[in-house]
Amino acid sequence: SAVISQKPSRDICQRGTSLTIQCQVDSQVTMMFWYRQQPGQSLTLIATANQGSEATYESGFVIDKFPISRPNLTFSTLTVSNMSPEDSSIYLCSVEEGARGLNYEQYFGPGTRLTVT
Amino acid sequence: KQEVTQIPAALSVPEGENLVLNCSFTDSAIYNLQWFRQDPGKGLTSLLLIQSSQREQTSGRLNASLDKSSGRSTLYIAASQPGDSATYLCAVFCNAGGTSYGKLTFGQGTILTVHP
Repeated sequence: SAVISQKPSRDICQRGTSLTIQCQVDSQVTMMFWYRQQPGQSLTLIATANQGSEATYESGFVIDKFPISRPNLTFSTLTVSNMSPEDSSIYLCSVEEGARGLNYEQYFGPGTRLTVT
Repeated sequence: KQEVTQIPAALSVPEGENLVLNCSFTDSAIYNLQWFRQDPGKGLTSLLLIQSSQREQTSGRLNASLDKSSGRSTLYIAASQPGDSATYLCAVFCNAGGTSYGKLTFGQGTILTVHP
């Protein structure tokens, strides 16, 4: 299974600033996913990042607020822009392995805990 | 739109008890279902993965079942231990309607506390 690391593991930021979260995978993967988990809530998919193309955003999430880069098959970044306290969440990166309908599975990184003051 | 519901929202049991966590989903057209464990402030650890063609999967003291037609899954934990205390999340993988990729939809989770 893929091993995923994220940086930073946690951060405390002031409102109005931006934070870039890095996700590194130990193997080449086609699709990478970014999720948000607000306090006491479950995970919500922000966007899907496919190498070589623009990220696909879910309803309620926009590129200006959450720009994503995917420069190669093992790395992606998510930026949380112009932060407000409502952005305080755990942000998780995940990757998929296997073929859909067969042995497909998603693996998650350790998460980045963001607090906006 | 796929919706996943987990019951109960929280569960507190004494050590040694067997317990069942429930997950239901509204759209039975899924590829698979995963159960995850999440410790406070941490990422997710995959516990069990059940493909849509399977009925159950077992790993140690954990057993997960899937009834795709009725949209239900259960996670059975035998002989619970304090170290099992965590949030347990159920997620289904299905087509992201009209796109070429799939997506995971998560339930709200069950917060499990096992006390000595």
